[in-house]
Amino acid sequence: DAKTTQPNSMESNEEEPVHLPCNHSTISGTDYIHWYRQLPSQGPEYVIHGLTSNVNNRMASLAIAEDRKSSTLILHRATLRDAAVYYCFDFSGNTPLVFGKGTRLSVIA
Amino acid sequence: NAGVTQTPKFQVLKTGQSMTLQCAQDMNHEYMSWYRQDPGMGLRLIHYSVGAGITDQGEVPNGYNVSRSTTEDFPLRLLSAAPSQTSVYFCASRNQRGNPYEQYFGPGTRLTVT
Repeated sequence: DAKTTQPNSMESNEEEPVHLPCNHSTISGTDYIHWYRQLPSQGPEYVIHGLTSNVNNRMASLAIAEDRKSSTLILHRATLRDAAVYYCFDFSGNTPLVFGKGTRLSVIA
Repeated sequence: NAGVTQTPKFQVLKTGQSMTLQCAQDMNHEYMSWYRQDPGMGLRLIHYSVGAGITDQGEVPNGYNVSRSTTEDFPLRLLSAAPSQTSVYFCASRNQRGNPYEQYFGPGTRLTVT
């Protein structure tokens, strides 16, 4: 079973920021926090990862709580193309990625 | 790089038929895996491999066989197709050395078993 907890769905208006939360209640000290997303009719794609510090890349930002028990994926300006299912993981690299249900993000024009 | 490629894109089988779904990657990744995704559902892990000659079962391995004779290829065999195996199948790969951060997924094979 997936080790993380996410809301089933969220909604955002286009051009507004979106904060997608994830709880990592059983994360270990060596696990990285990873986020992937799956656009409609496509395979999942990597979004971002981090260990302890907040991270930014061209797709999103990742905010990690000090105790690492929670993280937030931030899309700074949601577009219609960001409508997808977003998955978060605790990931050590030695085990497979086991998907949970993720958060289905709807973006309203 | 072509990344992760899967063939065929679409397949229709009759119950009891066998077939092999092909997966190949050209990134020299040690780790490869197969997932299935039923309509409206999440991805479930079928089998995975951490290198040539090494395979292991995932969450839903029954009805499927895998082998890993080369680093590049990781075929998934359906021994006797059943309607319950109607699904979209995704293959994925990633590097195991250093910081393994990005897993690459193929475009998927849509399988219908009648």
